[in-house]
Amino acid sequence: KQEVTQIPAALSVPEGENLVLNCSFTDSAIYNLQWFRQDPGKGLTSLLLIQSSQREQTSGRLNASLDKSSGRSTLYIAASQPGDSATYLCAAKSNDYKLSFGAGTTVTVRA
Amino acid sequence: NAGVTQTPKFQVLKTGQSMTLQCAQDMNHNSMYWYRQDPGMGLRLIYYSASEGTTDKGEVPNGYNVSRLNKREFSLRLESAAPSQTSVYFCASNGGHTQYFGPGTRLTVL
Repeated sequence: KQEVTQIPAALSVPEGENLVLNCSFTDSAIYNLQWFRQDPGKGLTSLLLIQSSQREQTSGRLNASLDKSSGRSTLYIAASQPGDSATYLCAAKSNDYKLSFGAGTTVTVRA
Repeated sequence: NAGVTQTPKFQVLKTGQSMTLQCAQDMNHNSMYWYRQDPGMGLRLIYYSASEGTTDKGEVPNGYNVSRLNKREFSLRLESAAPSQTSVYFCASNGGHTQYFGPGTRLTVL
C-alpha cells in the first residue's frame, strides 16, 4: 500500500522568501506525482503534474522535482506572496490509476 | 462549463439517518471518484467508477454505497449515518492525467 508523507505539517515564512515543500512516498512504482493547492473551505486545484519518466515540471514561480528512486518530490515556490498561503497536497498515482494523498503542508506567508 | 459540482454544500444528520450526496461533471470524463478528508489526514478514496456502469471499492468503503447514474453523475449514499462519518466529502473526475475536484460537502453526524 502506497504511503505518502508530507513534512512539515505547517510552515510560516515572510513574504519574498522561497518555499520548499517536501513529499515522500514508499512505493516507487508510480504512474505520476501531482501537487495540489487547497484554500480553506474549498476543493483541490491541480498545480503541477510530473509523469514518472520526468524529473521536473515548472509553471511560473512553481517548480516540482521528482526522484523516484529515493521516493521523493519537492515543490519549490519562488519569491512567496501572501496569496500563496494555502494547504499544499501531493498525491502519487499508482499504475491502477488510484491517487494516494499526503496530509498536506499548510503554508502561511506573512506580509 | 461548471466542472465538477456537488450538492449539498453542508449537511447535518442525526445518527441512523440516511442521505445521498450528489456529484455531476460536464467535462465528459469517464472516471469519477469519491473521497473523504479528515483533519491531519490526506484524502482517502471511498469508491470510484472507471466508466459508466462500473463501480469499485476504494480504501474506506464501509458504510457507503455509490451509483453511477450516467456518464455525468456519480452519487454517494450513507444508509445509516454514524458519527465516524463526519467529514468533508469530495467528488472528482479524471481527465487525461489530471483529477478535477468539486468544492466538497461538509457533513456532520450528531
